[in-house]
Amino acid sequence: SSELTQDPAVSVALGQTVRITCQGDSLRSYYASWYQQKSGQAPVLVIYDKDKRPSGIPDRFSGSSSGNTASVTITGAQAEDEADYYCESRSRDSSGNHVLFGGGTKLTVL
Amino acid sequence: QVQLQETGPGLVKPSETLSLTCSVSGYSITSGYFWAWIRQSPGKGLEWIASIYHNDDTHYNPSLKSRVTISVDTSNNQFSLKLNSVTAADSAVYYCARYDFWSGAERSFFDYWGQGTLVTVSS
Repeated sequence: SSELTQDPAVSVALGQTVRITCQGDSLRSYYASWYQQKSGQAPVLVIYDKDKRPSGIPDRFSGSSSGNTASVTITGAQAEDEADYYCESRSRDSSGNHVLFGGGTKLTVL
Repeated sequence: QVQLQETGPGLVKPSETLSLTCSVSGYSITSGYFWAWIRQSPGKGLEWIASIYHNDDTHYNPSLKSRVTISVDTSNNQFSLKLNSVTAADSAVYYCARYDFWSGAERSFFDYWGQGTLVTVSS
């Protein structure tokens, strides 16, 4: 199918580890990217090429992928990590190249 | 530092055309990368609209393709979006972004984003 599926909401205790997942057929062929979006702000790239971190992103963020599932893990979640997280990948069909976004996961840090 | 800035009307009437421009600074749009428009309706998720390369290679979201035109102005280091026959459902924050994509490669990501501009469709 041409969509990416995420859990709508996840919570984590301060300092604990949380994994946010994304499922979709496109992830079998293409890398996932992950974006963090805080309230009222533009999204920020936190993981690209399934497991790489852009400069400036804390190393508590890590990415992984297996089969049709990609994940971003936050090890030692901080209060400032509370945000919406979106996965993204490309897809391709008979009509050409496209971009898919997951529906987003709202992360609450307790 | 790459910076992107969206400009355009904040209010568009139903059935009219929404027009936005993204001005890029700190990087020449002819130096590589695709450039893209993404929108976010209030309280909703991200929706990719379209992407373009400076040679006019374009990709469109199939659900919007019949109403969307993306274009690039290399002389002004800008790219633009036109969305016609708008309805209230097109009310959203519209973002422009730099898009790392190469046909035949597995990667796809948006590494620089504008701050976004809110467009409301209302009479």
